[in-house]
Amino acid sequence: QVQLQESGPGLVKPSETLSLTCTVSGDSISNYYWSWIRQPAGKGLEWIGIVSTSGGTYYNPSLKSRVTMSVDTSKNQCSLRLSSVTAADSAIYYCATGFSKDVDYWGQGTLVTVSS
Amino acid sequence: DVQMTQSPSSLSASVGDRVTITCRASKGVRNDLGWYQQKPGKAPKRLIYAASNLQSGVPSRFSGSGSGTEFTLTISSLQPEDFATYYCLQHNSYPLTFGGGTKVEIK
Repeated sequence: QVQLQESGPGLVKPSETLSLTCTVSGDSISNYYWSWIRQPAGKGLEWIGIVSTSGGTYYNPSLKSRVTMSVDTSKNQCSLRLSSVTAADSAIYYCATGFSKDVDYWGQGTLVTVSS
Repeated sequence: DVQMTQSPSSLSASVGDRVTITCRASKGVRNDLGWYQQKPGKAPKRLIYAASNLQSGVPSRFSGSGSGTEFTLTISSLQPEDFATYYCLQHNSYPLTFGGGTKVEIK
């Protein structure tokens, strides 16, 4: 069974770029589509976007101008970059995956706080 | 975007109760819908895929139904470990969209 582990800085300053990595184990990253999903404290889930191992991406229009996702098949990792962050971007960020657009497996999540 | 309207936003129920949660889509999503359970401090876990298929390892008291614009998650006999927040997610079209969540609390 595929396992996902998010990593990255837990604290990011306003206006800077949030960068997270998801390391995949238990299967090849090439078999899946990779989504990032976030959840502000005490709130619901927001889908950020998706990347395939062919490099195709789709980003939520609400974040599109600030988001970049990529996949590194040699490292079995995918990544998320979110630029020009504000306090509203503080959330738990999840890496998640499925065989197509659906979401089956989730990482444990990583808390990112935007603060100076 | 497809808007997913989930109801109720919260409910109180007793162990053994039958619980029903609904998600309505602003336009048809065929059966491209999943249901997820989230406990405090944990990642969501998928219970149902393709609207009505039980995820492996999930107890049979959970069931899903519906297609198109109206979907239902039913817990036939609520157990103590089922107190959690439940979300639906449509993956028919981009952007993927979640329902607002239903918090199931102990009465």
